[in-house]
Amino acid sequence: GENVEQHPSTLSVQEGDSAVIKCTYSDSASNYFPWYKQELGKRPQLIIDIRSNVGEKKDQRIAVTLNKTAKHFSLHITETQPEDSAVYFCAAAQGGSEKLVFGKGTKLTVNP
Amino acid sequence: EAGVAQSPRYKIIEKRQSVAFWCNPISGHATLYWYQQILGQGPKLLIQFQNNGVVDDSQLPKDRFSAERLKGVDSTLKIQPAKLEDSAVYLCASSQFRSNNEQFFGPGTRLTVL
Repeated sequence: GENVEQHPSTLSVQEGDSAVIKCTYSDSASNYFPWYKQELGKRPQLIIDIRSNVGEKKDQRIAVTLNKTAKHFSLHITETQPEDSAVYFCAAAQGGSEKLVFGKGTKLTVNP
Repeated sequence: EAGVAQSPRYKIIEKRQSVAFWCNPISGHATLYWYQQILGQGPKLLIQFQNNGVVDDSQLPKDRFSAERLKGVDSTLKIQPAKLEDSAVYLCASSQFRSNNEQFFGPGTRLTVL
């Protein structure tokens, strides 16, 4: 089955800096890669996703890149703000399947 | 639109007791998921329903966990008997019936087994 590794487990940046979180997956059949943000005590919320037919997707300060050959994908947050502080999870799913396999999460802290 | 509803929000029980969680998905969402999120980890899928049929329950500990989705809407997840290692947040999510569609999560039920 699919296995998703996520690094780093914790990340601390200064406000205004960029943050990068990386994930690798094992199943070459996976073709859907969402990223979820989970604030303390709250539900996970989708912030961006990418499908395997594209290599990069941007939404304002957030971008995701996908390298299918290397089987890794990354989340990039630019101009970080204190409200970006949360735990971020990557996930992967196979085509035709809605079963998401999540990474262990990255706790991002943005220091003012 | 209203989000995914779950109850209770918190539950404390002793080991070997039973517990049940309830989920009401977003109206019109055919697919419903139950996840277990242990502290410091990502959500792990326990069971997936398509309408009232089970699509995937490969990671559900069937000797103690059971779930049903009668009439293809609300769902309940039961643990009987509970073990200490069942302490976790149980998240319900729902999505429209389409491949790789966004999953919307409920607020979760935090279970503590003493």
